[in-house]
Amino acid sequence: QVQLVQSGAEVKKPGASVKVSCTTSGYTFSTHAIHWVRQAPGQGLEWMGRISGYNGNRNYEQSLQGRVTMTTDTSTSTAYMELRSLKSDDTAVYYCARAPLGPYINFDYWGQGTLVTVSS
Amino acid sequence: DIQLTQSPSFLSASVGDRVTITCRASQGISNFLAWYQQKAGKAPKLLIYAASTLQSGVPSRFSGRGSGTEFTLTIGSLQPEDFATYYCQQLNTYPLTFGGGTKVEI
Repeated sequence: QVQLVQSGAEVKKPGASVKVSCTTSGYTFSTHAIHWVRQAPGQGLEWMGRISGYNGNRNYEQSLQGRVTMTTDTSTSTAYMELRSLKSDDTAVYYCARAPLGPYINFDYWGQGTLVTVSS
Repeated sequence: DIQLTQSPSFLSASVGDRVTITCRASQGISNFLAWYQQKAGKAPKLLIYAASTLQSGVPSRFSGRGSGTEFTLTIGSLQPEDFATYYCQQLNTYPLTFGGGTKVEI
């Protein structure tokens, strides 16, 4: 069965970096992209960006450009999201989700979420 | 960026009610729209994609309609497990965007 398993909760100080992993199984990694979505406490969903499992092509939300980097390790079918220069309003649950490559994208499987808390 | 406006943002309903949530896009997105259900402390769950296609395993009381700029999600007969927050998402253009959510409560 398809599974996306994320790394554990993190507490970081302002200005630090965090790297969240998303280890996938149960499907062929190269046929899907991994998208990252975050949700601040009590707020809605915010798309952060995506990386293709096929060729590593990336699209990032413009407001995060320069602070976020998404990578993959195809040997372990794992995706990573690194966010730098953390601020208090980066405190959120971070989700990875898979989406098929092609015109009809949909996020059919999600990771369990990783809480990142930014606090001095 | 394409903005999605959901209405209402909050909905009070009873078991057995028929419920409709609307999602309006700031520009045409054909049928590149999905609906998700999210319960407290859980990841979102895909309900509908391509505006009207029911995801495998989702009960048939959920249905989606629309194209262009106006879309609806209907729950035919609300069940206790349907009390949750619902989000629409456009998948036509990067950056992908979500609506603000509709919380369905008893």
